[in-house]
Amino acid sequence: DIQMTQSPSSLSASVGDRVTITCQASQDIRNFLNWYQQKPGKAPKVLIYEASNLETGVPSRFSGSGSATDFTFTISSLQPEDIATYYCQQYDNPPYNFGQGTKLEIK
Amino acid sequence: EVQLVESGGGLVQPGRSLRLSCTTSGFTFGDYAVSWVRQAPGKGLEWVGFIRSKAYGGTTDYAASVRGRFSISRDDSKSIAYLQMDSLKTEDTAVYYCTRDHNWNYGIDYWGQGTLVTVSS
Repeated sequence: DIQMTQSPSSLSASVGDRVTITCQASQDIRNFLNWYQQKPGKAPKVLIYEASNLETGVPSRFSGSGSATDFTFTISSLQPEDIATYYCQQYDNPPYNFGQGTKLEIK
Repeated sequence: EVQLVESGGGLVQPGRSLRLSCTTSGFTFGDYAVSWVRQAPGKGLEWVGFIRSKAYGGTTDYAASVRGRFSISRDDSKSIAYLQMDSLKTEDTAVYYCTRDHNWNYGIDYWGQGTLVTVSS
């Protein structure tokens, strides 16, 4: 099985900060990785698909990069509404495991 | 508008069975795969399993934690997917999400609102 190691597990940042989350796969997953945002009590929502493609309607301050085993998710300028938990997920080979999640808080 | 609505959750005793339904609308259900994802209280997301569309064989894959106990099926004529859960354990307690997935690319793009399954005596 492919293991997804996401870091950090939690992050505190100020409004306007640049925020970066990383996700490492235990083997090559090409670009078959998505990033999701989950707000408390809500279902997750896809922000980035295939590692670097912005889902329609998602603000351009969100971006993703990487391929093979190393991936990065970035918020260029943190906004108060970005407070949530973020997850990566690989879908190259089942089981399509998620990362452990990153809980983002405002400092 | 794409919609997925889960139903069938509730309280069930360990060892018993439960079937969840995922009723969909707003898209051609038969063209897409469906994944089920769960989230235990206060925990992260856990992929449960996946069923491909008929064009890709309608085959299924499961997480090791549920393989042999859970099964996913689909009724394309009704645009509904099912998650049959047998031999339930207390550690299966979670919110279960139905998702629209793609057969080999793009991943999950839509999620249902989730249904809570509580396994307890």
